[in-house]
Amino acid sequence: DTEVTQTPKHLVMGMTNKKSLKCEQHMGHRAMYWYKQKAKKPPELMFVYSYEKLSINESVPSRFSPECPNSSLLNLHLHALQPEDSALYLCASSQDPGRPQARPYNSPLHFGNGTRLTVT
Amino acid sequence: AQKITQTQPGMFVQEKEAVTLDCTYDTSDQSYGLFWYKQPSSGEMIFLIYQGSYDEQNATEGRYSLNFQKARKSANLVISASQLGDSAMYFCAIGTGRDDKIIFGKGTRLHILP
Repeated sequence: DTEVTQTPKHLVMGMTNKKSLKCEQHMGHRAMYWYKQKAKKPPELMFVYSYEKLSINESVPSRFSPECPNSSLLNLHLHALQPEDSALYLCASSQDPGRPQARPYNSPLHFGNGTRLTVT
Repeated sequence: AQKITQTQPGMFVQEKEAVTLDCTYDTSDQSYGLFWYKQPSSGEMIFLIYQGSYDEQNATEGRYSLNFQKARKSANLVISASQLGDSAMYFCAIGTGRDDKIIFGKGTRLHILP
């Protein structure tokens, strides 16, 4: 079982809907990530939160809005999406607080199983 | 900016043979880490192995080893005694000390033949 939990597993939404993807980890990790993955493509970085602060936004359209309410939770709010936004959305966490030298570049990512999003 | 290149879109290997998946990288940072992940058709991303830029020895994890050649900027994954369950997509990834990004290569689809 994955230690990073994503809900829902599947989501179908219309272009005028507002929905949210949720991600939870209880490993105490300090960094949390959102990736978007289209079929037969690599994961594409969207956002990074480090110590609950947004540290990376890879020029993602504003119809995607991330939120980190606390160190265990990461949300991705969706509004007015386009059909081309249909993809697998992966959440990941890293950076074990038990390792004093832990940084994202030396800490493996722990992924959730993803939310498969379809925009109609 | 860091970059990962995986030049093998697909590979077919006979079961029990060893297989090498290629990965080259580009970064100007001195502190960086290289990762390999496996993604079966079910979709989950599984961490396999990590190599730090300052690590003098090649990383090993069970049947997985990383052939790290720093001067050539390559970090190839070697899977020994391949098994049918090794059939999956394999991604090489890099992170650097400059920021919190972890960037993935395009991946290699590995097919293990019985």
